Amino acid sequence: QVQLQESGPGLVKPSQTLSLTCTVSGGSVSSGTYYWNWIRQPAGKGLEWIGRMYFSGGTNYNPSLKSRVAISVDTSKNQVSLKLSSVTAADTAVYYCARRYYGSGVDAFDIWGPGTMVTVSS
Amino acid sequence: QSVLTQPPSASGTPGQRVTISCSGSSSNIGGNTVNWYQQLPGTAPQLLIYNNNQRPSGVPDRYSGSKSGTSASLAISGLQSEDEADYYCAAWDDILNGWVFGGGTKLTVL
Repeated sequence: QVQLQESGPGLVKPSQTLSLTCTVSGGSVSSGTYYWNWIRQPAGKGLEWIGRMYFSGGTNYNPSLKSRVAISVDTSKNQVSLKLSSVTAADTAVYYCARRYYGSGVDAFDIWGPGTMVTVSS
Repeated sequence: QSVLTQPPSASGTPGQRVTISCSGSSSNIGGNTVNWYQQLPGTAPQLLIYNNNQRPSGVPDRYSGSKSGTSASLAISGLQSEDEADYYCAAWDDILNGWVFGGGTKLTVL
């Protein structure tokens, strides 16, 4: 059973870079049928897609965050990473790692991590 | 402001059937499949419906989805207290070149 687990600092200062890691267990980030995504949710609000990465290097980012976001995959550690620079209070949210399964008629986020809360504050 | 539009709330009594709508445009719902996610209080979202109307293994057939043009709907029949949750629609957007979500609908079982 594939599981995702987000980790990283729960508190980040304004203007600094938010760095999170998603560790994949029970499966490989190198599998060809998956994209690895980051999605966030401010308290009491809806979901916002941040971006995605394919293990071989292809990425797509939300246009509203594109200038500040970088997603990478470390196949040796079976991890997916998120970096969001120049953060402000508006970046305070629960950050989820999610696997997009693409194949056999499916194109959806089929597995999610439990999420990690990140607060931007001085 | 979400790209996909959902009603902020919905409600029903046990046993009733409720529907939640999701409205988009030709660049998202109109040209791509719609997925629905259920988020129980304090937990991560989980896939409820994919490819407009398909249920993942383990999802009861009380849940059904449909799509017509640039709109989609989620229906829940035989409403139960455990259905109280937030529901989100999602689709790929060809113009934004990314996934877009609805703002979410909070379902209350009265």
